[in-house]
Amino acid sequence: DIVMTQSPDSLAVSLGERATINCKSSQSVLYSSNNKNYFAWYQQKPGQPPKLLIYWASTRQSGVPDRFTGSGSGTDFTLTINSLQAEDVAVYYCQQYAATPRTFGQGTKVEVK
Amino acid sequence: EVQLVQSGGGLVKPGGSLRLSCVVSGFAFSSWSMAWVRQAPGKGLEWVSSINAGSSYIFYADSVKGRFTVSRDNAKSSLYLQLNSLRAEDTAVYFCARVHYGDYDYWGQGTLVTVAS
Repeated sequence: DIVMTQSPDSLAVSLGERATINCKSSQSVLYSSNNKNYFAWYQQKPGQPPKLLIYWASTRQSGVPDRFTGSGSGTDFTLTINSLQAEDVAVYYCQQYAATPRTFGQGTKVEVK
Repeated sequence: EVQLVQSGGGLVKPGGSLRLSCVVSGFAFSSWSMAWVRQAPGKGLEWVSSINAGSSYIFYADSVKGRFTVSRDNAKSSLYLQLNSLRAEDTAVYFCARVHYGDYDYWGQGTLVTVAS
């Protein structure tokens, strides 16, 4: 199984500042045949289902604010939240879909400092 | 508007069974693969099972293989998860989700399954 490891487990950021979450996969999720990273980011608020933010490592899902940016390739990925807003307080998960079983990171909790 | 409406959770004794349902509207259900993902209380997300549009490709997590069965009825725009031989460690909120490219772009509201005596 591909193991997804996020860092940090939690972080506190001031409103308007940048939050950076990292995710590392135990093996590459980049397919050379199409040069795509089979990798996604989700946001989950308490009592709600996860919400897809980013897929193909850097493609923003429709309706997601452009302060959310995904980057990285191969085994190392980053979610950047520019100018953190109060509504961004949530747990963020990474996921790989390069192989079955699909696997998620353990989550990173983002709070306001 | 895309909607995935779940039902069927509840309290069940160890060894018992339960059937979860997910009724979909707002998109052509018969054209999309679907999945179940669960989340134990206070824990992260765990993929459980996936089924393709024609039910010809079905996959399970090792933790549920042989105990859970995923199915779908395209005529009813419905996805199901039959949970048998339930264990305490199966206690979780179960989400149905539409498979996008392997990620999940639409999710149900979740239904809680509690396995306890």
